[in-house]
Amino acid sequence: EAGVVQSPRYKIIEKKQPVAFWCNPISGHNTLYWYRQNLGQGPELLIRYENEEAVDDSQLPKDRFSAERLKGVDSTLKIQPAELGDSAVYLCASSFGQTPDTGELFFGEGSRLTVL
Amino acid sequence: LAKTTQPISMDSYEGQEVNITCSHNNIATNDYITWYQQFPSQGPRFIIQGYKTKVTNEVASLFIPADRKSSTLSLPRVSLSDTAVYYCLVEDTGRRALTFGSGTRLQVQP
Repeated sequence: EAGVVQSPRYKIIEKKQPVAFWCNPISGHNTLYWYRQNLGQGPELLIRYENEEAVDDSQLPKDRFSAERLKGVDSTLKIQPAELGDSAVYLCASSFGQTPDTGELFFGEGSRLTVL
Repeated sequence: LAKTTQPISMDSYEGQEVNITCSHNNIATNDYITWYQQFPSQGPRFIIQGYKTKVTNEVASLFIPADRKSSTLSLPRVSLSDTAVYYCLVEDTGRRALTFGSGTRLQVQP
């Protein structure tokens, strides 16, 4: 069975440019998460979806970040415009049901963003 | 907000048992304790989850005392491939999402 798929794996852009990351969760997983991980730190949650509804986006910088999960399957995370401080790894995860007692989180390999 | 505290780093040798302790003094009644492992350039991977006492699977054991204010991840006979960052998480009941700390960097030497 395929795991969580993310693309692109690497992206280098200049500041003020837009960038988008795509995530395809494990089939049947209704919960999808976007995390951001800075170098040497643990992942921090940006947004969580239950099906197509964003149920927790309190840590998403809404002035420049946006996300969508149309039809409750694939998801896209966008940054516009990107800033130097956005350089990080963006991780997508999915789970079946609501954690923790209904299952674990399955993470993709991440999308590494470098903003110059 | 349940916060966790764990050592920044640990060193071990192949074949030894490694115990990583995590402190979570403000754990709530309905919170579970979960451990994840992360290798470089990969996303975290679930290791084990528990609520109380002891949980064991094919990879590790998790010991949780009665007061649940701490937990210990035990890795039996580590190998070089166990070199990774290990995260202890307690569910954030306010936000219903897993909150990662900085983790423990385990370095296994030959």
